[in-house]
Amino acid sequence: DSGVTQTPKHLITATGQRVTLRCSPRSGDLSVYWYQQSLDQGLQFLIQYYNGEERAKGNILERFSAQQFPDLHSELNLSSLELGDSALYFCASSVRAGEATEAFFGQGTRLTVV
Amino acid sequence: EDQVTQSPEALRLQEGESSSLNCSYTVSGLRGLFWYRQDPGKGPEFLFTLYSAGEEKEKERLKATLTKKESFLHITAPKPEDSATYLCAVQANNAGNMLTFGGGTRLMVKP
Repeated sequence: DSGVTQTPKHLITATGQRVTLRCSPRSGDLSVYWYQQSLDQGLQFLIQYYNGEERAKGNILERFSAQQFPDLHSELNLSSLELGDSALYFCASSVRAGEATEAFFGQGTRLTVV
Repeated sequence: EDQVTQSPEALRLQEGESSSLNCSYTVSGLRGLFWYRQDPGKGPEFLFTLYSAGEEKEKERLKATLTKKESFLHITAPKPEDSATYLCAVQANNAGNMLTFGGGTRLMVKP
């Protein structure tokens, strides 16, 4: 158990809908990352927050947004969902933002868009 | 652009048959190279961080090494429970803390 908690574990929704994925980082970790894993793309970095502020942005679609709250949990919002958004979404957390530091991953949310 | 290439894509071994997984990378200033293990449907599990060429780290039957262009994950006398996908990732000096992952090597160890 990495200590990173993601909910829900599974989500099935229709095209055009909006969903929210939630992540609680390990106790004491200030940095949260979101990654998307699909069969053809592998693990792709989406976005990073550090202590409530956006720190880095990857290949995140405009239909996707995220935020980190004062209690350090994070939410990833996916809207106007398309079939191609079906994937595993992982949250990871680490302590420090500016140094090489290992990130610990949650168990993921499997999103299926039908 | 940072790139990570892992080979082979898949590897079948007999129990006890040692082998190595390769991770080749290009990055604009390496801050760290990471190895993770991922079981089907689960999140990546952290194994090692390597920071500079020549560094080595070991954990049970696994040993990770780093050069300026590649990293190897050596598996000595593997067991069926070592079957998983092994992921390599790099973190660049100018990239916040984002990780760029390779496509992984799917390892299957037969008893």
